[in-house]
Amino acid sequence: DVKVTQSSRYLVKRTGEKVFLECVQDMDHENMFWYRQDPGLGLRLIYFSYDVKMKEKGDIPEGYSVSREKKERFSLILESASTNQTSMYLCASSLYWGRTEAFFGQGTRLTVV
Amino acid sequence: KNEVEQSPQNLTAQEGEFITINCSYSVGISALHWLQQHPGGGIVSLFMLSSGKKKHGRLIATINIQEKHSSLHITASHPRDSAVYICAVGTQGGSEKLVFGKGTKLTVNP
Repeated sequence: DVKVTQSSRYLVKRTGEKVFLECVQDMDHENMFWYRQDPGLGLRLIYFSYDVKMKEKGDIPEGYSVSREKKERFSLILESASTNQTSMYLCASSLYWGRTEAFFGQGTRLTVV
Repeated sequence: KNEVEQSPQNLTAQEGEFITINCSYSVGISALHWLQQHPGGGIVSLFMLSSGKKKHGRLIATINIQEKHSSLHITASHPRDSAVYICAVGTQGGSEKLVFGKGTKLTVNP
């Protein structure tokens, strides 16, 4: 029944490390999204992708990049992790974003030390 | 001003109480979503609606397009309803996106 799967629930990384967060969906959706969630700030869009190899910056892309080589997989990359990137990261997918049901992964709580 | 405002931010109730969470928005929308997030992270879609009312078990969602307002009701609340409830709207025109409220943290005590 699982539709959107994130590779890790909890992750601890050191400052300066390159970090990969993986997300896989099994619904053949074109649209996939990465959000971060922080107390008091809600969900903020980092990047999204509407097709393989296509990506668009969201509201807070600085310090992040993404990769979408296959339709089902959308990866978030922290090029050089910093402590201010400690957060909950959520992946989501949808057929038509906003107009159809949104499916979320279980979240990855990343701590950068 | 945020495009999506939820109230209250925090809500504590006793088991069995009727609960209402409100959501107001200021943009044109294609649909409004109610989401639930339990401690531990994962978000689940409860409802997606663009008019009227939807019901699923003890949960009811309503929307008034003219007033740009939606409510989520929980009847006969239970401790397992304790979660963060998030309102989100799908915006119209241009690049479609989902705009989120900051959530309402509900605690239901036994």
